[in-house]
Amino acid sequence: AQSVTQLGSHVSVSEGALVLLRCNYSSSVPPYLFWYVQYPNQGLQLLLKYTSAATLVKGINGFEAEFKKSETSFHLTKPSAHMSDAAEYFCAVSDMNYGGATNKLIFGTGTLLAVQP
Amino acid sequence: KAGVTQTPRYLIKTRGQQVTLSCSPISGHRSVSWYQQTPGQGLQFLFEYFSETQRNKGNFPGRFSGRQFSNSRSEMNVSTLELGDSALYLCASSEGPLGNQPQHFGDGTRLSIL
Repeated sequence: AQSVTQLGSHVSVSEGALVLLRCNYSSSVPPYLFWYVQYPNQGLQLLLKYTSAATLVKGINGFEAEFKKSETSFHLTKPSAHMSDAAEYFCAVSDMNYGGATNKLIFGTGTLLAVQP
Repeated sequence: KAGVTQTPRYLIKTRGQQVTLSCSPISGHRSVSWYQQTPGQGLQFLFEYFSETQRNKGNFPGRFSGRQFSNSRSEMNVSTLELGDSALYLCASSEGPLGNQPQHFGDGTRLSIL
């Protein structure tokens, strides 16, 4: 069964510092992986996705993630944090059935990012 | 292109009542999925509809049901509401049923049970 683990429920960085949010997945087959961001009182916004093309995936707002099969990781990074990046971030993997990948997303528990001035 | 629209945004009900939530997907999207978000359980998949057929179902009791119309709009219904049903209910749409296509979420309906 597919699963994702996000290490660190709370991460705090200074404005301008590197952002690193960790995600490890468990999958018996090559996974489809996603990062979403959620601002207060809003839904989820897609940051980026990995669907077995390039292992380094660039997303919106300066975020990127690298798929590392050997480490079963898909960590999210941003070189320089901005105050507007403060939000909750979710890593997700597409569930699989006999027909292949489905639209059922299995989410991690989320990481709340705080950005200090 | 308009995004995913969920109505209403907020809803207050009492135990034992039933509720219907609505979701209008992005134009051209034929797959609609529903998720429940709570502080304790996080984001959990409820069900997915594609071309008016339920393709996938999560591990929720039969009180939770849904349907999809020919224009791809979807509704979910919760009967005999319990206090534990208080949550943010999110709808997501995608072009098709394949898991490699990104899903786009609405802002959700926040349901409070008194």
